[in-house]
Amino acid sequence: DGGITQSPKYLFRKEGQNVTLSCEQNLNHDAMYWYRQDPGQGLRLIYYSQIVNDFQKGDIAEGYSVSREKKESFPLTVTSAQKNPTAFYLCASNNFRTDTQYFGPGTRLTVL
Amino acid sequence: GQQLNQSPQSMFIQEGEDVSMNCTSSSIFNTWLWYKQDPGEGPVLLIALYKAGELTSNGRLTAQFGITRKDSFLNISASIPSDVGIYFCAGLVTDKLIFGTGTRLQVFP
Repeated sequence: DGGITQSPKYLFRKEGQNVTLSCEQNLNHDAMYWYRQDPGQGLRLIYYSQIVNDFQKGDIAEGYSVSREKKESFPLTVTSAQKNPTAFYLCASNNFRTDTQYFGPGTRLTVL
Repeated sequence: GQQLNQSPQSMFIQEGEDVSMNCTSSSIFNTWLWYKQDPGEGPVLLIALYKAGELTSNGRLTAQFGITRKDSFLNISASIPSDVGIYFCAGLVTDKLIFGTGTRLQVFP
């Protein structure tokens, strides 16, 4: 089954701990993206990567880090420097041929 | 960061009614996308538009790419209960999507 997977669906962490969210895609897409969504809000871009071993900051990159060692994988680390990390996190990948972005099911992170 | 102006913010309609929502921007886009998001899930792509003036349908959904390339609208005809959700527009700028703030749709039987 082709698509984008994010795990886990729900994640709880104590304040001050770093946490890594997984995103994997088997669509052979070059570009991958991380968004943050707060209740009742739209999507805000955290980081994106157009090719392996390269990534760029989005609009709200502070307190987050990413890596892109493989085409299929784009993990996001929420560090203790992120002041308000509780949110719904969405990963996406882009099909350059059709300029369309497809989303994973999301991870809801709650920091206690 | 930049966001698109999407309206209305929310709609409460009866089953069977038609729905219309739109997005406007001060910037020109080359591609417009419309997504639907169910609670707790990722957005699902509904329609993609690539040319100014383009009108595209997907079942009961119809979307248009504005002539000025600064706006787009989405129509849903004969709404049904499963149309409930949040609808987002998105415009493509170079390699990034700019998202609208969403339209929350409630359908009453």
